[in-house]
Amino acid sequence: AQSVTQLDSHVSVSEGTPVLLRCNYSSSYSPSLFWYVQHPNKGLQLLLKYTSAATLVKGINGFEAEFKKSETSFHLTKPSAHMSDAAEYFCVVSDTVSAGFQKLVFGTGTRLLVSP
Amino acid sequence: GAGVSQTPSNKVTEKGKYVELRCDPISGHTALYWYRQSLGQGPEFLIYFQGTGAADDSGLPNDRFFAVRPEGSVSTLKIQRTERGDSAVYLCASSSGGLETQYFGPGTRLLVL
Repeated sequence: AQSVTQLDSHVSVSEGTPVLLRCNYSSSYSPSLFWYVQHPNKGLQLLLKYTSAATLVKGINGFEAEFKKSETSFHLTKPSAHMSDAAEYFCVVSDTVSAGFQKLVFGTGTRLLVSP
Repeated sequence: GAGVSQTPSNKVTEKGKYVELRCDPISGHTALYWYRQSLGQGPEFLIYFQGTGAADDSGLPNDRFFAVRPEGSVSTLKIQRTERGDSAVYLCASSSGGLETQYFGPGTRLLVL
């Protein structure tokens, strides 16, 4: 079965500094990987997804992630944090693609705190 | 357009009671998913519908949980004889196909006293 491990439960940054949220995956085949963001009292929103095209994936709001097969990693980065980026971020792998649907398997989440 | 909506947004019930949680997917989306998010955890898959049928219900924790989607649109998650351990946020997502991006609703926060 596919799984993801988010290495940090909390990350604190100052506004304007870079963001790095770490994720490692385990997959028996070429995975589909995602990052979702969850703001308080709002639904999960897709930031970006990797589906074996380009290894560097650009998403919304200036976020990007790089798929590194040799390191089994899919870290999320942003050059400059904004106060509105404060939220919970989930690294996600898709299971059962062969069955014709995506059973999303979520990590435990990383809470991003942004200070002025 | 309108996103996925879920009602109620909050539900408080007593142990042993029956509850129903409703999900209205994005119009035209054939695929519908239910997930459960316990405190401090990521969401966990419960069930997947393609049209009216439950194509995969492997995530339902036990037979107290049941979900329906009779007309291929709105879905209801039903929990019988609720237990305190059922307290969680129940999330619904829909997509235009099984392999397409899933769009999530805001969730229903269930508290079993």
